[in-house]
Amino acid sequence: SQQGEEDPQALSIQEGENATMNCSYKTSINNLQWYRQNSGRGLVHLILIRSNEREKHSGRLRVTLDTSKKSSSLLITASRAADTASYFCATSNTNAGKSTFGDGTTLTVKP
Amino acid sequence: DGGITQSPKYLFRKEGQNVTLSCEQNLNHDAMYWYRQDPGQGLRLIYYSQIVNDFQKGDIAEGYSVSREKKESFPLTVTSAQKNPTAFYLCASSISLAYEQYFGPGTRLTVT
Repeated sequence: SQQGEEDPQALSIQEGENATMNCSYKTSINNLQWYRQNSGRGLVHLILIRSNEREKHSGRLRVTLDTSKKSSSLLITASRAADTASYFCATSNTNAGKSTFGDGTTLTVKP
Repeated sequence: DGGITQSPKYLFRKEGQNVTLSCEQNLNHDAMYWYRQDPGQGLRLIYYSQIVNDFQKGDIAEGYSVSREKKESFPLTVTSAQKNPTAFYLCASSISLAYEQYFGPGTRLTVT
């Protein structure tokens, strides 16, 4: 059962532009995590945001969380060709504990 | 050099054979997970383990089995009962459930 759903499914931008992807979920969460996956590789954890936090930054990444709308967004500023990857959100809900992954957004950054 | 290792990277098997995928971590994490990923899709949870000698079914456990006899190791067996076993398999671990997960490089299994 999927908890998080990313939007859009695919995003194509030019190098230097900002990329925004969204994640919506259905039930109350403990935290929400964003991961990156390069083609054919394992996932790499980017940011974890707790349910009582509204915004977090890490380098060129900015994550927001709106628990009233049950949604989160990941913003990548000044994108680079190396940011080309699939990005997944994962939610840990208050009942199950374990995290559930969405289907991901595929980002292509053209040089 | 800490992390999670999965072996082998590529695995080929004939239909009807059981196959075991290896996953080892030296991060001292209590929780470990197995996911299946099909082309262009997200991750689907097969099994997870919160602690040694305990494991729980995920969303797609049918045709798979696991063991957790040691904290560092969480092998996955793909049995002949799994109808469509060809996929990319990812192992992960975390300090405990609900924390960020650390992933291995994956094993691509092809069954013909």
